[in-house]
Amino acid sequence: EDQVTQSPEALRLQEGESSSLNCSYTVSGLRGLFWYRQDPGKGPEFLFTLYSAGEEKEKERLKATLTKKESFLHITAPKPEDSATYLCAVQVSGNTGKLIFGQGTTLQVKP
Amino acid sequence: NAGVMQNPRHLVRRRGQEARLRCSPMKGHSHVYWYRQLPEEGLKFMVYLQKENIIDESGMPKERFSAEFPKEGPSILRIQQVVRGDSAAYFCASSRIDRDLGEQYFGPGTRLTVT
Repeated sequence: EDQVTQSPEALRLQEGESSSLNCSYTVSGLRGLFWYRQDPGKGPEFLFTLYSAGEEKEKERLKATLTKKESFLHITAPKPEDSATYLCAVQVSGNTGKLIFGQGTTLQVKP
Repeated sequence: NAGVMQNPRHLVRRRGQEARLRCSPMKGHSHVYWYRQLPEEGLKFMVYLQKENIIDESGMPKERFSAEFPKEGPSILRIQQVVRGDSAAYFCASSRIDRDLGEQYFGPGTRLTVT
């Protein structure tokens, strides 16, 4: 069964304290892995797409990496405005494009 | 360029009533996906539609739920005879026709409360 697991469930950081969020996946074939950010009461906001092992993408303080079994979202020197829930999702080869989501990591950055 | 639009943003229904949720995709997008987020749970796929076609409804409950994406107008997710367990946030996402099942952009969601 295709599955996505994110860890930790919750993460508290001090402003400026860098860390990483993990997304492990078990799928029959990976077409793409996606990272989203979700603020309370809002829809997920697209961040990155990764398609093959070794690929990396960066945006401001965020950097996403991909291996054959997991993806990491690295947050460098976070700010309070980075506080949100970060969602990882996969598209599986041979499927119709639906996203399979993990449970998310809720990040809180304190000033 | 307007993003994905959903309405209403909040919907309250009594048990047994019908709920209709609307989604207008981003301009230039012709693929629409519906997801449901139950309290304390992750996002779950429900249905994938293109204009006038249901492509994948493997995540849709067999009874009371239906979806359409007509040639003109928004996509509609319809829930008949709602029950308390239907209370959730329902999100619509869209993607472009010329991208091979690429990035999906989400709307703000409709929060359904069944009393």
